[in-house]
Amino acid sequence: RKEVEQDPGPFNVPEGATVAFNCTYSNSASQSFFWYRQDCRKEPKLLMSVYSSGNEDGRFTAQLNRASQYISLLIRDSKLSDSATYLCVVNSPGGGSYIPTFGRGTSLIVHP
Amino acid sequence: DTGVSQDPRHKITKRGQNVTFRCDPISEHNRLYWYRQTLGQGPEFLTYFQNEAQLEKSRLLSDRFSAERPKGSFSTLEIQRTEQGDSAMYLCATTGVGSTDTQYFGPGTRLTVL
Repeated sequence: RKEVEQDPGPFNVPEGATVAFNCTYSNSASQSFFWYRQDCRKEPKLLMSVYSSGNEDGRFTAQLNRASQYISLLIRDSKLSDSATYLCVVNSPGGGSYIPTFGRGTSLIVHP
Repeated sequence: DTGVSQDPRHKITKRGQNVTFRCDPISEHNRLYWYRQTLGQGPEFLTYFQNEAQLEKSRLLSDRFSAERPKGSFSTLEIQRTEQGDSAMYLCATTGVGSTDTQYFGPGTRLTVL
């Protein structure tokens, strides 16, 4: 089983739709959690951190469920510009530090 | 612009050659990570420095790979005796002191081994 798993998609949705992505992780000792966005042939960029209490940034809402070991990302009122790959990142214990482990990413395509 | 720079942006080499990539972090960022990314996959952790100390190395990092960060500022990643399977995007990311572990990525170096 991979440490961090994501459905690769693609998720193909119309503008204005609400779409949700999930990401599961295997190490219960994982410490911090993030969603990154990666555009085609570009580097990943932080979208938002994920907190236990859940957090919202405009149209984006992130949730963490430690008991079930998954994080989620909800995008409301999708825009064409939201089309990208969304990577979940989990910081898990390594040899002596916490190591960032990325999922393979979920592709989102928003069409007119 | 995140402020992390990488050089070169593209490298084409023949199998068996050695290559070296450079990463310049955001000023005063003390943690520096190297990743490898192939098509359709997320970045895979290779190694991590805190200042000049290399604290973690992935088992993916074979003995043909070596990384340095001699003065705690820029870092280099060298691949010796390149193989076709080394073809990938090599990404560098840095994190500042007291941050919430937010990583700032450079644009990457795309390596093609012929």
